[in-house]
Amino acid sequence: DQQVKQNSPSLSVQEGRISILNCDYTNSMFDYFLWYKKYPAEGPTFLISISSIKDKNEDGRFTVFLNKSAKHLSLHIVPSQPGDSAVYFCAASLSSNTGKLIFGQGTTLQVKP
Amino acid sequence: KAGVTQTPRYLIKTRGQQVTLSCSPISGHRSVSWYQQTPGQGLQFLFEYFSETQRNKGNFPGRFSGRQFSNSRSEMNVSTLELGDSALYLCASTQSPLVAGETQYFGPGTRLLVL
Repeated sequence: DQQVKQNSPSLSVQEGRISILNCDYTNSMFDYFLWYKKYPAEGPTFLISISSIKDKNEDGRFTVFLNKSAKHLSLHIVPSQPGDSAVYFCAASLSSNTGKLIFGQGTTLQVKP
Repeated sequence: KAGVTQTPRYLIKTRGQQVTLSCSPISGHRSVSWYQQTPGQGLQFLFEYFSETQRNKGNFPGRFSGRQFSNSRSEMNVSTLELGDSALYLCASTQSPLVAGETQYFGPGTRLLVL
């Protein structure tokens, strides 16, 4: 039972353009969401998070949007840079129990110079 | 502040053996969670420890176990290794899982290969 889904295994964008990574969840109890970036053979690096009381959170080039009714979140990277090329994971949890994260399968982003 | 550290970084074992992996959380963090990453299953939650007690457990067989010490360091153990246990094992720490909006910070992982 995949509670968190990233339906696009890969995404390729041109440097300077916008990258949009999508994530869907099925469990309506989830109320805290995070995005992580991961390089091969390294641990995930935290990028940005959002609580269900918000519908948008911004941090520099990264913005996360949450649509609770659709159980959908997205990560926007503007402008995209070659160094952003990595695997991006979305994760969900209960804000009262953030020790357990449920991850999506990941989306490999390639930013071409 | 030092990040999450995991030892060893790489490990090769044979089927039937057991293995113990270690994780030291960020200073001041009291919760440690463990995850398994495989190509087929992605990142899956194993268990979480807080104040030396297991708070959450994922859907893994009893061969996977863990513990946490009074200094918040954690170990996980896998007994009777199977080929399918080959994976990257990641640990993550937070200050407290009871505080809303806490973020988990990950270590570099231990790459386990079972032959």
